[in-house]
Amino acid sequence: AQRVTQPEKLLSVFKGAPVELKCNYSYSGSPELFWYVQYSRQRLQLLLRHISRESIKGFTADLNKGETSFHLKKPFAQEEDSAMYYCALSGQGAQKLVFGQGTRLTINP
Amino acid sequence: GAGVSQSPSNKVTEKGKDVELRCDPISGHTALYWYRQSLGQGLEFLIYFQGNSAPDKSGLPSDRFSAERTGGSVSTLTIQRTQQEDSAVYLCASSSYRALETQYFGPGTRLLVL
Repeated sequence: AQRVTQPEKLLSVFKGAPVELKCNYSYSGSPELFWYVQYSRQRLQLLLRHISRESIKGFTADLNKGETSFHLKKPFAQEEDSAMYYCALSGQGAQKLVFGQGTRLTINP
Repeated sequence: GAGVSQSPSNKVTEKGKDVELRCDPISGHTALYWYRQSLGQGLEFLIYFQGNSAPDKSGLPSDRFSAERTGGSVSTLTIQRTQQEDSAVYLCASSSYRALETQYFGPGTRLLVL
């Protein structure tokens, strides 16, 4: 079975502080992992995917198959990073996404 | 260009009534997905259409839920005999068909069943 767990429903950090949003997954094959973000009054949109190995808006995420994790990190949080973040998994050959419960990130000034 | 659009944006209905939710995908996108976003359940996959292939209905929660996609474009999600637990935001997404292609989401339809 495919499962994505985001242990923190809420996360609050100060501007300029490092931020890490945790994501763990359960999947027997080789998954593809994604982070989606939903800013206030905006649509859900892709932030980054692990196969791209790129940094978007200063965020990075590394797939750790040993720990079955795909944590999202940013060294210096900005107020505009406040949003709802969803970790998602796609199984081999599958198109549908399995989402975690989401983490609401608040950056305090 | 235009993104994914959904209608209505909000729908209030009485328990037991049927509702239809519409999704217009991005032009040229062959894949279309429905998800449900509800309190306590997060984002759940409902159904997936790809071209002329049989849809993946594995996420539909009950036989009261059905969806169709006409002409490979517009999709309608129908909920029969609505229940209060059907209250949620229903999201539609589309993508072009390549493995792991980015899914583009619509604004959602907020359904409230009284």
